[in-house]
Amino acid sequence: QVQLQESGPGLVKPSETLSLTCTVSGDSITNYFCSWIRQPPGKELEWIGYIYHNGRTNYNPSLKSRVTMSVDTSKNQFSLTLTSMTAADTAVYSCATGPRGGGSYPAGWGQGTLVTVSS
Amino acid sequence: ETTLTQSPPFMSATPGDKVTISCKASQDIDDDLNWYQQKPGEAVNFIIQEATTLVPGIPPRFSGSGYGTDFTLTITNIESDDAANYFCLQHDNFPYTFGQGTKLEIK
Repeated sequence: QVQLQESGPGLVKPSETLSLTCTVSGDSITNYFCSWIRQPPGKELEWIGYIYHNGRTNYNPSLKSRVTMSVDTSKNQFSLTLTSMTAADTAVYSCATGPRGGGSYPAGWGQGTLVTVSS
Repeated sequence: ETTLTQSPPFMSATPGDKVTISCKASQDIDDDLNWYQQKPGEAVNFIIQEATTLVPGIPPRFSGSGYGTDFTLTITNIESDDAANYFCLQHDNFPYTFGQGTKLEIK
C-alpha cells in the first residue's frame, strides 16, 4: 500500500514562495496521478491540482497563476510551489495519489502539513 | 464550478445507530462522487468511490447511493471508531470540489 509524506517549512513569510515535497513509498509514482489539496483552519477543503509523471498538470483556476507542480520519478517525489503567499494561504497542505493505474482524484492521502503564513 | 452542499454539518449518534449524510451537487455529475473519512492527526481515508462502490478494506457498514445531483453516505451499526469528519468530492469536472464536511460525534 502506498504511503505518502509531506515535507517543507511550517512557516512562510508573506510574499514569499512555499515549496512542499511529497515522498511516496511502496510503489512507483509513475502508476499514479499525484495531487495536492489544502484546508485552511475551520474551512473546507480545496483541490489545488494534480500532476502525472509525464508532466501533465491540471490546476485549480483560483490558484493557477501562482502554482507549479513538478515530479521527480528518480526520487519518487512530487512537489508543489506556491508563490506570493498571504495569510489566506495558511492551511494544512496534503498530498495524495489517485487509484493505481488510473483516476486523477485523490485516493491515498498523506497526513498533511500545516503551513502558516506570518511575518 | 460545481458546488457540493453537504448536510448536516454536525450530527451525533449512539453506537448501533444508522446515520445518513447528504451531498447535493449544483449540477449533474453522473456518479463521479467520492466519500472520505477524516480523523484529527491522521491521513484521510477513502471510503466510497463512484458514488456507490465501497473501497477495498472498508467495512460494509458504510454504503453510498445516488446519481446525478443527490448523493448519500449511510453508516449502519455505528461504532465509536466512526467518530470523524466525513466529506464528499466531485471529480466530474474541473476544478474538483469538496463538500463542507459533516462532523460525526459518537455519544
